[in-house]
Amino acid sequence: KAGVTQTPRYLIKTRGQQVTLSCSPISGHRSVSWYQQTPGQGLQFLFEYFSETQRNKGNFPGRFSGRQFSNSRSEMNVSTLELGDSALYLCASSGTSGANVLTFGAGSRLTVL
Amino acid sequence: SQQGEEDPQALSIQEGENATMNCSYKTSINNLQWYRQNSGRGLVHLILIRSNEREKHSGRLRVTLDTSKKSSSLLITASRAADTASYFCATGPGGGNKLTFGTGTQLKVEL
Repeated sequence: KAGVTQTPRYLIKTRGQQVTLSCSPISGHRSVSWYQQTPGQGLQFLFEYFSETQRNKGNFPGRFSGRQFSNSRSEMNVSTLELGDSALYLCASSGTSGANVLTFGAGSRLTVL
Repeated sequence: SQQGEEDPQALSIQEGENATMNCSYKTSINNLQWYRQNSGRGLVHLILIRSNEREKHSGRLRVTLDTSKKSSSLLITASRAADTASYFCATGPGGGNKLTFGTGTQLKVEL
């Protein structure tokens, strides 16, 4: 079965712009989580959506937002981009809320100039 | 912030040798997982050990958990060049998929 698909894989933006990243989870998975990975801060949790509801949120400013659609696909948006937002953004899906085992996509690498 | 600290940060070994990496965490956990990441790619789940388990095996992987010391170790036996990757421990309190990842160990297995 198809894995977690993230688009776009690479993108370059300039400061002040906004970006939208997309994630299609494994078919049947209802939980989608987003993580930011940078060399300095490592892997940090952004938020989790389950059945279109945000269930958990990490410590990121309000510029970072997300949503989940009825087909479980998820998008995350970053507005007013800063240089420090350059990172690999990873999406992961899970079949059940309590098992915690995540299947990750290949990531979207965002470069902010 | 990172809950887990892993050591060593980097490890270089010869093919066929065993690789051991350690993870420490700070708060109570429901379970602990190990993931592998090949350069710049997504993470792949390796193994999960629950808080009431002390040791678990999966193929060439052996994971131990000591909740009294808030630490875990991952042993890869008979390593291969294909094991070259970064390895992360991740903890979850349960009730959702918010995982806290460690800082990672970069493993290089040389031929």
